[in-house]
Amino acid sequence: SAVISQKPSRDICQRGTSLTIQCQVDSQVTMMFWYRQQPGQSLTLIATANQGSEATYESGFVIDKFPISRPNLTFSTLTVSNMSPEDSSIYLCSVEPGLSTDTQYFGPGTRLTVL
Amino acid sequence: GQSLEQPSEVTAVEGAIVQINCTYQTSGFYGLSWYQQHDGGAPTFLSYNALDGLEETGRFSSFLSRSDSYGYLLLQELQMKDSASYFCAVNTGGFKTIFGAGTRLFVKA
Repeated sequence: SAVISQKPSRDICQRGTSLTIQCQVDSQVTMMFWYRQQPGQSLTLIATANQGSEATYESGFVIDKFPISRPNLTFSTLTVSNMSPEDSSIYLCSVEPGLSTDTQYFGPGTRLTVL
Repeated sequence: GQSLEQPSEVTAVEGAIVQINCTYQTSGFYGLSWYQQHDGGAPTFLSYNALDGLEETGRFSSFLSRSDSYGYLLLQELQMKDSASYFCAVNTGGFKTIFGAGTRLFVKA
């Protein structure tokens, strides 16, 4: 298993600004994932972040809007850039301690509201 | 396209048994997972099926039929604390997981 923390837990931001979300894991993991979840909705994968390589983005998500860093095996950041109200959502990081996506452990999430 | 279908809501009484179904249509399939999420909380892993059959973990069981592209989560001896959203998720390969829309379970006294 893995224990994951995220900062901030919530934030209210102004349109046009950027917010960086941090994800810290208590053990070294190869694979980290960033998801977006509207309240009461499903989880949508934004990107996969592996240490030492560029993040892999899913269709509909681009690096300029959601730049990701993965400096080591226990930490990652996701930046939501040039925010608009449509970016209001819960952002979750997750890790897969093994080498597949069969069992993911999720952080508590960051609730973002953009005014 | 790729899709996972599960009921949006299920209601049951304490002590009862409830089954949450999931049918999937994906370009790849390596396994079916189930996650539980309480309001305001993070999804937590419940079970995983890669092969056909039933997997049992305490009060929760999960079933998979690959030929039918179908699985279910079975919750027995329901408790109030089981009220939550339940998501099925498919590992499609390439380190990608697709989640269903979730089933909101209401447990009544």
